[in-house]
Amino acid sequence: DQQVKQNSPSLSVQEGRISILNCDYTNSMFDYFLWYKKYPAEGPTFLISISSIKDKNEDGRFTVFLNKSAKHLSLHIVPSQPGDSAVYFCAGGVTGTASKLTFGTGTRLQVTL
Amino acid sequence: DVKVTQSSRYLVKRTGEKVFLECVQDMDHENMFWYRQDPGLGLRLIYFSYDVKMKEKGDIPEGYSVSREKKERFSLILESASTNQTSMYLCASSLSGGGREKLFFGSGTQLSVL
Repeated sequence: DQQVKQNSPSLSVQEGRISILNCDYTNSMFDYFLWYKKYPAEGPTFLISISSIKDKNEDGRFTVFLNKSAKHLSLHIVPSQPGDSAVYFCAGGVTGTASKLTFGTGTRLQVTL
Repeated sequence: DVKVTQSSRYLVKRTGEKVFLECVQDMDHENMFWYRQDPGLGLRLIYFSYDVKMKEKGDIPEGYSVSREKKERFSLILESASTNQTSMYLCASSLSGGGREKLFFGSGTQLSVL
């Protein structure tokens, strides 16, 4: 049972435009969410997080939006840069479970010149 | 700077071999995790540990065991490697605080079982 789903395996965006990566979840117990970025041959690195009591969190070019009623979150990257080309994973967690996260399947973003 | 080190970047083993994957963190984190990453399946949790000598099964523990004798070291053991265990293995660690701490990952070990 895939509790966190990223339905788009890949996305291609032109440099300077907006990238929107989507994530859906089914577990109502999740009360915080994170996005990780992964380059080939490297481990995932933390990008941005959001608590379930918020609907938006922003950090520079990265903004995460959360729609709890739809069990949907999205990551917006504006403007997109070639260095953003990577695989992006969203993850859900439940407070107090020792940071045990459930990850999605990932979306490969390619930012073209 | 935060560091999670996995002992091997690439590993090739034969079916039936016992395989040890080692992970060391230098951040004094209480929690440590083993995930595997497969195309189309994302990252799936194999085992985790929230203290020395403590371990808990994740979502896909079958065919694996773990050992945590020291706080900084968490080992993943494949008792008898099989071809379906060919995968990228990722170790991670986190602090034990309010329970929303982010994970810090190692660079991964690409294991091929022939």
